[in-house]
Amino acid sequence: QLQLQESGPGLVKPSETLSLTCTVSGGSISSSSYYWGWIRQPPGKGLEWIGSIYYSGSTYYNPSLKSRVTISVDTSKNQFSLKLSSVTAADTAVYYCASYDILTGAFDYWGQGTLVTVSS
Amino acid sequence: EIVLTQSPATLSLSPGERATLSCRASQSVSSYLAWYQQKPGQAPRLLIYDASNRATGIPARFSGSGSGTDFTLTISSLEPEDFAVYYCQQRSNWPTFGPGTKVDIK
Repeated sequence: QLQLQESGPGLVKPSETLSLTCTVSGGSISSSSYYWGWIRQPPGKGLEWIGSIYYSGSTYYNPSLKSRVTISVDTSKNQFSLKLSSVTAADTAVYYCASYDILTGAFDYWGQGTLVTVSS
Repeated sequence: EIVLTQSPATLSLSPGERATLSCRASQSVSSYLAWYQQKPGQAPRLLIYDASNRATGIPARFSGSGSGTDFTLTISSLEPEDFAVYYCQQRSNWPTFGPGTKVDIK
């Protein structure tokens, strides 16, 4: 069973870059069955997909965030990462990493989430 | 962008009652719709994929139906642990989520 764990700073200053890493265990990030995704949830609000990456490095992003998002993968470490630039208070959220099963089109395994607050 | 709307926003029911949650898409998503349950302080949990298939380990009281633009999640008899927020998600073009339905205790 896959396990995912987010890590990174919990506080980021406005205009700076948010950086998070997701470590995958219990399976290989190089699996052909999955994309690996980032989803966020502002406090008290709903879920927003940020973007996803395949082990080959192929990415696709939410068009509303595309200009500020970079997702990368490190297969040697079984990790993938998120960078979100030029953050504002509106980017304050719980950030989740999750596995996206290509066959079912659903996010079947999730990390516990990490709260990132944007504040000076 | 395909927009998902969910109704009602809140559903107040008692344990043992039947819950019927609706998700409507702004255009057809075929059967490419999933449902998730989220409890406070927890990550979402996948319940249903492709409109009607239960994910691994999901109890049979959860069922999904629909296709095209109209979908339903039914919980046949609410257990105490089922009171939570439920989200639908589609996968055409790129993934989007509905705003959620909160099922709370009446």
